[in-house]
Amino acid sequence: DSGVTQTPKHLITATGQRVTLRCSPRSGDLSVYWYQQSLDQGLQFLIQYYNGEERAKGNILERFSAQQFPDLHSELNLSSLELGDSALYFCASSATSLDTQYFGPGTRLTVL
Amino acid sequence: AQSVAQPEDQVNVAEGNPLTVKCTYSVSGNPYLFWYVQYPNRGLQFLLKYITGDNLVKGSYGFEAEFNKSQTSFHLKKPSALVSDSALYFCAVSFHGNNRLAFGKGNQVVVIP
Repeated sequence: DSGVTQTPKHLITATGQRVTLRCSPRSGDLSVYWYQQSLDQGLQFLIQYYNGEERAKGNILERFSAQQFPDLHSELNLSSLELGDSALYFCASSATSLDTQYFGPGTRLTVL
Repeated sequence: AQSVAQPEDQVNVAEGNPLTVKCTYSVSGNPYLFWYVQYPNRGLQFLLKYITGDNLVKGSYGFEAEFNKSQTSFHLKKPSALVSDSALYFCAVSFHGNNRLAFGKGNQVVVIP
C-alpha cells in the first residue's frame, strides 16, 4: 500500500456527463500528479500540483481540469465525456516536486 | 522531448532463471530513470531509481538496474525470477527540474513455473 488513496475505484457514466475523481496524497507529500492509462495511449502525464499551485501541464484536454485544496487532496474533473475518455486514472504524490512519485490504486472510468 | 522505449512486448522466463527487462531512453541532459511494476487491478509500485552516482542501482524485491550512459539504457534485472514476479513493468524517465514522468509502453513479464 503506497499510502495514496483514490476514490471511487470504478466509475461508469454516459457520454456528455461530468465526473470528479478524488485523490488523497501520502501524509506529508506536497506534490500531486495525475496520469491517464489507456490501451492506445499508454501511461500519460496530465497535470501536477504542488502545495495548491499548478506546477506542470502535460497532455490534458481542455475538457479536463484539476485542483489541489488546502488540505492537499486533489480532484480531477472530467466534463463532456467521450467514449475515448474511458481509461484508468492514476494519482501519484511525492514529498517535494523532485522526489519519487508513489501511485494510488487508480480510478477506472468507463464511458458508455 | 524525453522518451522511453521498451522494445519487447512480453518477456517469458522460467522460474529460477535470470530476468532482464530492457529500457532505452532519449532525453537531453542528465536523466532521472525509474522502474515501476503494475500487478493486475493495482496501481504502480515503485521498484528503483537512478539519479546520479553508482551505475548499478538496487531496489525492492531483489531487483536491480544498470544505467549505461553510452548506450542510453537502463535495463532491469533479477538474478532468479519468481512466479510472483509476473506483472507489467514500466520504465520511466524525467529530466532534472521537471518531475513529469514519461513512461514506456510497458513489458509483460511471465515467469513460467
